Amino acid sequence: DADVTQTPRNRITKTGKRIMLECSQTKGHDRMYWYRQDPGLGLRLIYYSFDVKDINKGEISDGYSVSRQAQAKFSLSLESAIPNQTALYFCATSGWGDTEAFFGQGTRLTVV
Amino acid sequence: QQPVQSPQAVILREGEDAVINCSSSKALYSVHWYRQKHGEAPVFLMILLKGGEQKGHEKISASFNEKKQQSSLYLTASQLSYSGTYFCGTGSGGYQKVTFGTGTKLQVIP
Repeated sequence: DADVTQTPRNRITKTGKRIMLECSQTKGHDRMYWYRQDPGLGLRLIYYSFDVKDINKGEISDGYSVSRQAQAKFSLSLESAIPNQTALYFCATSGWGDTEAFFGQGTRLTVV
Repeated sequence: QQPVQSPQAVILREGEDAVINCSSSKALYSVHWYRQKHGEAPVFLMILLKGGEQKGHEKISASFNEKKQQSSLYLTASQLSYSGTYFCGTGSGGYQKVTFGTGTKLQVIP
């Protein structure tokens, strides 16, 4: 099984719909992240959490919210999806300090 | 603010060398390097810490110039398997959230 699992892997949704992307990890790490990838823009941080009670906004948090349900679970929600939120979304986890981050396989989201 | 990577894209023939640069406008504590193959998740290559030594991983190595707030990734004798998009990520101390650059797309051809 993968260390970091994202569901769904692909999703097409309509403008205005609420959608949730889920992430779970088996690494036992406290830190979890949500990134968005767009062509030419690299990986941009949406939200991050350093433990269950800690949630922080990243560079591009507008239009998104998150929930850290447990150490192993971190969900990203789009309250009212819009077409420019069409992107590839990655969840990642890492241990404390300067350590390797482990990424999920990504969720390709299309908002029509 | 995202670190800036250069070049944005590069095409190499097998066996050639390449350098990918990463620079930041902020003081850096660490630099992380990842490679992403098409359709896959980014995969960790190495981390360089402030005051640390140059790192190496097979034929891929990197340096970190703290004063210039820059890092460079060196790929020597490139192989087809090196193709992908390379990202640098920068950490600025304290809570170590990593800010990634825009990526460098590298293609190695026979």
